[in-house]
Amino acid sequence: EVQLVESGGGLVQPGRSLKLSCVASGFTFSNYGMNWIRQAPGKGLEWVAYISSGSSYIYYAETVKGRFTISRDNAKNTLYLQMTSLRSEDTALYYCARSGTTRPLAYWGQGTLVTVSS
Amino acid sequence: DIVMTQSPSSLAVSAGETVTINCKSSQSLLSSGNQKNYLAWYQQKPGQSPKLLIYLASTRESGVPDRFIGSGSGTDFTLTISSVQAEDLADYYCQQHYSYYTFGAGTKLELK
Repeated sequence: EVQLVESGGGLVQPGRSLKLSCVASGFTFSNYGMNWIRQAPGKGLEWVAYISSGSSYIYYAETVKGRFTISRDNAKNTLYLQMTSLRSEDTALYYCARSGTTRPLAYWGQGTLVTVSS
Repeated sequence: DIVMTQSPSSLAVSAGETVTINCKSSQSLLSSGNQKNYLAWYQQKPGQSPKLLIYLASTRESGVPDRFIGSGSGTDFTLTISSVQAEDLADYYCQQHYSYYTFGAGTKLELK
């Protein structure tokens, strides 16, 4: 069974940094691209970042480009999101999700909540 | 970037009705290489993670009831839910998977 478990969320002050993790199990992690998607309270879904299976291809949403860094450790089956210069508008539930070639985001974690507030 | 415009933003229905949700992309999602449309639909119930319902515009994910039907091509797409059940009350999102990913703003399906 595919499982994705996010962690690392919490309350952080504006301008500070936070690093999220997503531990994967139930599939060969190194074979799949991975994503971070976020959802602000009461709002819709926003794709944040993508990393290919071997980390060769990385893409970001314009709203986070230059502030967030996606990375992965295939030996540890773990996806990361380093977030810097955090703003109040980054407050959201952050999900990790697995990419597929035709099935785009078939597997999601339960999310980790990031709250940016002073 | 591809912009996804979804309508309506909310829809009140009675059980047994057929509903239609529309999604328009700012550029074609049809691949000239394989003639497939890279459009997906997701369902999200309160307190849950989104669930993939349909991908490539019309392919139902395994286990999704056949009352969920995806259609459309190019820039215009539709999710039809025939004979809506109480368990279908949720938020629905379209998403392009042609170039990275972009979601529509969502449609809230509520009980009339």
